[in-house]
Amino acid sequence: DAGITQSPRYKITETGRQVTLMCHQTWSHSYMFWYRQDLGHGLRLIYYSAAADITDKGEVPDGYVVSRSKTENFPLTLESATRSQTSVYFCASNIAGVYNEQFFGPGTRLTVL
Amino acid sequence: TQLLEQSPQFLSIQEGENLTVYCNSSSVFSSLQWYRQEPGEGPVLLVTVVTGGEVKKLKRLTFQFGDARKDSSLHITAAQPGDTGLYLCAGDAGNTGKLIFGQGTTLQVKP
Repeated sequence: DAGITQSPRYKITETGRQVTLMCHQTWSHSYMFWYRQDLGHGLRLIYYSAAADITDKGEVPDGYVVSRSKTENFPLTLESATRSQTSVYFCASNIAGVYNEQFFGPGTRLTVL
Repeated sequence: TQLLEQSPQFLSIQEGENLTVYCNSSSVFSSLQWYRQEPGEGPVLLVTVVTGGEVKKLKRLTFQFGDARKDSSLHITAAQPGDTGLYLCAGDAGNTGKLIFGQGTTLQVKP
């Protein structure tokens, strides 16, 4: 299907476990982003990528790792999950230069017990 | 650091009422976007304003970009229950490819 997809949509894990959230886009957009959304904090940028093999930290990168070996995929890994990482995670992409208008995936609701 | 302040944070109104949401900054943005997010979904782009003083209309929604490109407003006329959701403003951070998001305004329209 065309667009931006995230998997899984829901995930429950335990403290200390490694978790990977997947993001896939079919538009060949150069930029991709990972946000977390928590009540009272709005959308906070975790990491972003300007192109394959180019990634950079956002506002709240600690405890997260990203990679981008292919343009269409941008996985986010929590190396050792903590309860404070319980959140809703959104992936987004845009075409650089077009006012940076972003297209969001449906989100992954992650609960860390 | 560029920041966007949205107000109000929460708004609960009756169907048929009008409302305005504000998005303010001390920084100049080259463009500003408004997104709407429904529960369980990702934000969806409503509009992008680019020119200072620009006004764009989307049915009952009117978006305005301030003359100095530091602020924006969203006005909804005769709100309907279907307008319920989280409204987010976002400023283009330029060559970084990133957006600066406001905290959002949660709107509830009661029938």
